[in-house]
Amino acid sequence: EVQLVESGGGLVQPGGSLRLSCAASGFIFSSYAMSWVRQAPGKGLEWVSAISGTGRTTYHAHSVKGRFTISRDNSKNTLYLQMNSLRAEDTAVYYCGKGGVGYYGSRGSYTYYYHMDVWGKGTTVTVSS
Amino acid sequence: DIQMTQSPSSLSASVGDTVTITCRASQGINYYLAWYQQRPGKVPKLLIYAASSLQSGVPSRFSGSGSGTDFTLTISSLQPEDFATYYCQNYDSDPFTFGGGTKVEIK
Repeated sequence: EVQLVESGGGLVQPGGSLRLSCAASGFIFSSYAMSWVRQAPGKGLEWVSAISGTGRTTYHAHSVKGRFTISRDNSKNTLYLQMNSLRAEDTAVYYCGKGGVGYYGSRGSYTYYYHMDVWGKGTTVTVSS
Repeated sequence: DIQMTQSPSSLSASVGDTVTITCRASQGINYYLAWYQQRPGKVPKLLIYAASSLQSGVPSRFSGSGSGTDFTLTISSLQPEDFATYYCQNYDSDPFTFGGGTKVEIK
């Protein structure tokens, strides 16, 4: 069974740091892109960050660029989100998600898909003094 | 950056109705569009990917169409468990933005 379990959330003061983790199981972790999506209380979904299966390519939303860093350790089947300089507006439930099945193109390069076909249950981050 | 605009933001419907939600991208995204359902207090769930491909296990009353900039999600014969919020997502190019959501409520 494919499973994603987030951890690392909590209460942090403005300007502080947290590192979220997402432990994956039930699939070949290195073959899939992974993403972080957040949802502030009573609000919609906001895409935060994504990373290719190799970890060589990363993407971040403008709202977190320069403050958050996505990474992965394929030997540990774990996705991370390092969050620095946290602000009150970063308060949200953070979900990790597994990307869709990719494919090899005609030139041998691999295309990853960044929609999310499996989601974790989320971890809550609260930024408040 | 690509903006994703959903309409309507909310709608009321009855069990058995057919419901259509639209999603418009500010520039072409080919068919790299996903739809998700989020029931209250629950984790989002993938319904449709590649604009019209039904995710495994999702009932066939859900269907998606469109390409380029204009997309639709149709729910035929609305069931009680379908009352939820629906989101579209661009995954053609960074940033992989979501639409603002459409809340489907019971009339």
